[in-house]
Amino acid sequence: KAGVTQTPRYLIKTRGQQVTLSCSPISGHRSVSWYQQTPGQGLQFLFEYFSETQRNKGNFPGRFSGRQFSNSRSEMNVSTLELGDSALYLCASSLGSSGGANEQFFGPGTRLTVL
Amino acid sequence: GESVGLHLPTLSVQEGDNSIINCAYSNSASDYFIWYKQESGKGPQFIIDIRSNMDKRQGQRVTVLLNKTVKHLSLQIAATQPGDSAVYFCAENLASFGAGTTVTVRA
Repeated sequence: KAGVTQTPRYLIKTRGQQVTLSCSPISGHRSVSWYQQTPGQGLQFLFEYFSETQRNKGNFPGRFSGRQFSNSRSEMNVSTLELGDSALYLCASSLGSSGGANEQFFGPGTRLTVL
Repeated sequence: GESVGLHLPTLSVQEGDNSIINCAYSNSASDYFIWYKQESGKGPQFIIDIRSNMDKRQGQRVTVLLNKTVKHLSLQIAATQPGDSAVYFCAENLASFGAGTTVTVRA
């Protein structure tokens, strides 16, 4: 079974631009969560999608948005990029059954650099 | 706000010794905790989880202990190996992670 894949793996953008990152979960997984990882900050939860609906949301500004498609693939978008958005963006998938106690499988991440 | 954190940012361990990584959390209502391992250049990898109705859970060479009274979580790694060198995160549910403890195994 293929793991979680994220594209692109690396991305360089300039301030003010927008970016779209893609995540393909493990086949059969219906939950996709997105995280931002920066040095010293650990992983910060962005949002979780389940069956095309946002189920949970972290404390990020509205510039960060996401969506999930019927095949469970997910995208996240960041508009009006700021230097502080430079980070590793990780996607994780799980079966997503009720209770939230599902083992998550992470992708390798997309390294975004904002210049 | 609520937070999950780790006590020490780094831990150096002699190969073959046992490692103990600690984590404190502040949300007494949390009911699910997870430990992850992240190697350089890779995404986090699930190690073990525990629900709040348990105080101990064992996996292969790893044990997680949960003390709800003091809101403390620990990960014990038995007979630490070079491949255990990584950053370890505790997480509260799926949304709150600590900054991580970097474990370095000395040969």
